[in-house]
Amino acid sequence: DGGITQSPKYLFRKEGQNVTLSCEQNLNHDAMYWYRQDPGQGLRLIYYSQIVNDFQKGDIAEGYSVSREKKESFPLTVTSAQKNPTAFYLCASSSRGVFNEQFFGPGTRLTVL
Amino acid sequence: AQTVTQSQPEMSVQEAETVTLSCTYDTSENNYYLFWYKQPPSRQMILVIRQEAYKQQNATENRFSVNFQKAAKSFSLKISDSQLGDTAMYFCAFINNAGGTSYGKLTFGQGTILTVHP
Repeated sequence: DGGITQSPKYLFRKEGQNVTLSCEQNLNHDAMYWYRQDPGQGLRLIYYSQIVNDFQKGDIAEGYSVSREKKESFPLTVTSAQKNPTAFYLCASSSRGVFNEQFFGPGTRLTVL
Repeated sequence: AQTVTQSQPEMSVQEAETVTLSCTYDTSENNYYLFWYKQPPSRQMILVIRQEAYKQQNATENRFSVNFQKAAKSFSLKISDSQLGDTAMYFCAFINNAGGTSYGKLTFGQGTILTVHP
């Protein structure tokens, strides 16, 4: 089955640690996205990538980093510089074309202890 | 900057009845798309319906339809014959063709929690 997978489903981190969230898609999509969801704020764009080896900052990129070495993978690293990292993180992908539907993964819940 | 506003934090409806969720947006662009996404308790985001701004005809998908008022920048979602499985958070979202840093960027509203009661 084609789709987007995110792992792990739940992640716990101690303050001061970096942590990497995985996102993989087998839909042959060119574009991939990372969103953060907080209660009462909807989804906010962290980073996005339209093509391999290229990515752009979204609205809330500070404290996060990404890489796009393969078309299928777009991992997100939450660094110790992110002041309030506890949130639900969603990865999405879409085929080339700005209006094409974005398909979402099941999400990762990150909690900082 | 584009903004999307959903003024109803929570709504409830009886099973089999009709409910309308409101959404307004702000943009200076003329070419854009609007979406309604559903997020059930599983938290999986699911596209419900999509509307192209250049189309005057309102989009429909089975029990879901929209009322798109371009001049008023309004995009409401009507759910007919509500079912228990419609219980979810609903997000209105917007994407434009401005290019540059806006390329491919979805802007979401704050969401409306819909509860369908038996």
